[in-house]
Amino acid sequence: DADVTQTPRNRITKTGKRIMLECSQTKGHDRMYWYRQDPGLGLRLIYYSFDVKDINKGEISDGYSVSRQAQAKFSLSLESAIPNQTALYFCATSDFQGSTDTQYFGPGTRLTVL
Amino acid sequence: AQTVTQSQPEMSVQEAETVTLSCTYDTSESDYYLFWYKQPPSRQMILVIRQEAYKQQNATENRFSVNFQKAAKSFSLKISDSQLGDAAMYFCGTGGTSYGKLTFGQGTILTVHP
Repeated sequence: DADVTQTPRNRITKTGKRIMLECSQTKGHDRMYWYRQDPGLGLRLIYYSFDVKDINKGEISDGYSVSRQAQAKFSLSLESAIPNQTALYFCATSDFQGSTDTQYFGPGTRLTVL
Repeated sequence: AQTVTQSQPEMSVQEAETVTLSCTYDTSESDYYLFWYKQPPSRQMILVIRQEAYKQQNATENRFSVNFQKAAKSFSLKISDSQLGDAAMYFCGTGGTSYGKLTFGQGTILTVHP
């Protein structure tokens, strides 16, 4: 079984709808992240959480919100989806120890906003 | 702040040949690391190789090696004996060792010709 899972894998929605993307992990990591990938822009950080009570904005948080329901679960919400939020979304986890902080990615969610 | 630039949107190589992907970066972090992730058509993000900036010796992982030039802020990836399975999008990036936020480049699409 995959260590980091994302649901749904693909989603098509309409402008103005509320969407939630879910991420679960079985790696036991404290740190979790949400990124979006756009062609020609690479991956950009939306939100990150270092533990259940610690949530921080990334470089492109406008239009998004997150919830860390438990150590293993980190959800990303689009309160009112718009077409320029069409992208590939990744969840990642890491377990910072000393100077090592390798991030492990989920399989991604392809979101299309019409 | 960190920036990462991959100046080659696309590269191609013949099977069994060697190819080098370029990456330059800038960071305000004094303690950081660099990495290359591979994204095949399955869209899974797979860590290829990482290098702590304080280490002078270039990292190697089987057929993958890096040429890290700290003063020039350059971090290129060399793939030797290229295989069809190496065909993918490759992302260069950097992260600070004191926190988990990563900055990615725009990506380079590598095509491997049989």
